[in-house]
Amino acid sequence: QVQLQQWGAGLLKPSETLSLTCAVYGGSFSGYYWSWIRQPPGKGLEWIGEISHSGRTNYNPSLKSRVTISVDTSKNQISLKLSSVTAADTAVYYCARTIPGSDAFDIWGQGTMVTVSS
Amino acid sequence: SYELTQPLSVSVALGQTARITCGGNNIGSKNVHWYQQKPGQAPVLVIYRDTNRPSGIPERFSGSNSGNTATLTISRAQAGDEADYYCQVWDSSTEVVFGGGTKLTVL
Repeated sequence: QVQLQQWGAGLLKPSETLSLTCAVYGGSFSGYYWSWIRQPPGKGLEWIGEISHSGRTNYNPSLKSRVTISVDTSKNQISLKLSSVTAADTAVYYCARTIPGSDAFDIWGQGTMVTVSS
Repeated sequence: SYELTQPLSVSVALGQTARITCGGNNIGSKNVHWYQQKPGQAPVLVIYRDTNRPSGIPERFSGSNSGNTATLTISRAQAGDEADYYCQVWDSSTEVVFGGGTKLTVL
């Protein structure tokens, strides 16, 4: 049974860089796309971007200039970096797996709350 | 950019049928996915590609998609179905798009 375990710093100051990692356990890593999705408190879901096991990326145009998603296939991990954060980046951040041949997310990490505050 | 419109809230009596809509320009030409999210939890996929249920999702959950509206239908609603529901599509201009979410209340 595939599980996604994520971690990273939960409190940042404005202008710092958000950094999160998501590890895939119990299943295949290759052949899938892996995404980051966030949810501000009390609000809806926003897709940040995705990466394939081979390193191909796609980003949300609204965040593209600040986002980097990378992959470490030796550890079955993906990472998210979001630069120059502001209070508007305060959210729960999720990693998720995409169903092959689809763009639906069938497995999600537990979520990481990231707060940006001076 | 492509937008998806959902009602903020839907109420249903216990045991009755709930219908949650997701509106978008010619959404019938796209694959629509639906997620259930309970407080403090990650979303769970309940319908993908309009009508397909992932393993473990009850048959009470079904989906349809035509024209400018996709619909998630929950039959014989239970108290445990109370949650926020989100629709999602892929669009060439904005990649992945989520609806704003609908809060389902079971009375």
